[in-house]
Amino acid sequence: NAGVTQTPKFQVLKTGQSMTLQCAQDMNHNSMYWYRQDPGMGLRLIYYSASEGTTDKGEVPNGYNVSRLNKREFSLRLESAAPSQTSVYFCASSPRHDSYEQYFGPGTRLTVT
Amino acid sequence: QQPVQSPQAVILREGEDAVINCSSSKALYSVHWYRQKHGEAPVFLMILLKGGEQKGHDKISASFNEKKQQSSLYLTASQLSYSGTYFCGTPLLAAGSARQLTFGSGTQLTVLP
Repeated sequence: NAGVTQTPKFQVLKTGQSMTLQCAQDMNHNSMYWYRQDPGMGLRLIYYSASEGTTDKGEVPNGYNVSRLNKREFSLRLESAAPSQTSVYFCASSPRHDSYEQYFGPGTRLTVT
Repeated sequence: QQPVQSPQAVILREGEDAVINCSSSKALYSVHWYRQKHGEAPVFLMILLKGGEQKGHDKISASFNEKKQQSSLYLTASQLSYSGTYFCGTPLLAAGSARQLTFGSGTQLTVLP
């Protein structure tokens, strides 16, 4: 099992460019999450998907969109990147909506210039 | 609103004990602890539930004081492998859903030989 995988590992964008961060899990988990981690700020929830076909906003959703493509995949899109979106992005999954343990992917380091 | 962790950083020698605190300005239904080693993804350590008992992970244990709205993580007889940043997470919503967590800014623990 690969667990939770994320692509790309690193990305540099210019202000205004768009991109999609990809996340996939092979653990047959129902729930998936996107977080961003800024220095000194800890992890902040951007969006989550309790189950296939549903998505909900988290703490900091502005400037992002998500798609739960199927049970395995949950993508995060930046339509018009801004320097404030420079961060490390983590995807996570958990078995059920009421499960407590979240399994994190290795992260994507995004720099917006 | 993110929980507040203290201290921000701890340096100790192998075999020493450490305590990391996590407090919230709102009522807590659960507290989730994660550890992140440098350059890696966060890894789940334990969860404490309201009305539940203290949970343990090897020589790492935690307590949950609902009245004081705080949790403490106890690392006993620290090992080199305990080094990393420890995050506590609490539910964003009063309902206590584990799907929506907000995390503290972390406590960086360094264990020296």
